[in-house]
Amino acid sequence: GAVVSQHPSWVICKSGTSVKIECRSLDFQATTMFWYRQFPKQSLMLMATSNEGSKATYEQGVEKDKFLINHASLTLSTLTVTSAHPEDSSFYICSALTRRVSTEAFFGQGTRLTVV
Amino acid sequence: GEDVEQSLFLSVREGDSSVINCTYTDSSSTYLYWYKQEPGAGLQLLTYIFSNMDMKQDQRLTVLLNKKDKHLSLRIADTQTGDSAIYFCAERKNQGGKLIFGQGTELSVKP
Repeated sequence: GAVVSQHPSWVICKSGTSVKIECRSLDFQATTMFWYRQFPKQSLMLMATSNEGSKATYEQGVEKDKFLINHASLTLSTLTVTSAHPEDSSFYICSALTRRVSTEAFFGQGTRLTVV
Repeated sequence: GEDVEQSLFLSVREGDSSVINCTYTDSSSTYLYWYKQEPGAGLQLLTYIFSNMDMKQDQRLTVLLNKKDKHLSLRIADTQTGDSAIYFCAERKNQGGKLIFGQGTELSVKP
């Protein structure tokens, strides 16, 4: 199947700093990227949907100025957590859709963010 | 509305069959999925079923869909300790749409 590479797999940062998480589709063009957040022992909550070249669509309650999403190319999307606080600590997962196999979303490995 | 629910825990003995259940509320869902998540990892797609199907079998996995009751189940035959993980069901309305996930069922397989 198609591969989605997400980096870093874990990151520890200080309060007030910004963290960028990258999600790359290695062997296909990702027309749509989804960013999810997962708290321990809980489900995945969709944060935003982005289509290549367009502004991301954020879910209700997600601060777009805090969670900056860029989908500048068909193989790369980034999520930047700005001015991170301890409550932003979570597991972030990206997911990519391609027109070629649009029934299946391919997931990255996830990024464990810890803000201290 | 969009709501997907699963039981939170299931414990079985190695070699037994596991059945993980899921209910959803959106009758317009066209695709229903089962994902597996191991600790600290992303999601692995196990199988999916179109809403016009009743059953799909893939090796040890059998998916049953009761569209009338909006009930989806995943049966794992001959469950192994390596099957221990969290299993998520998810629904999608259309090909390009977002996935709505259940809370996940933690499957524990005891030797």
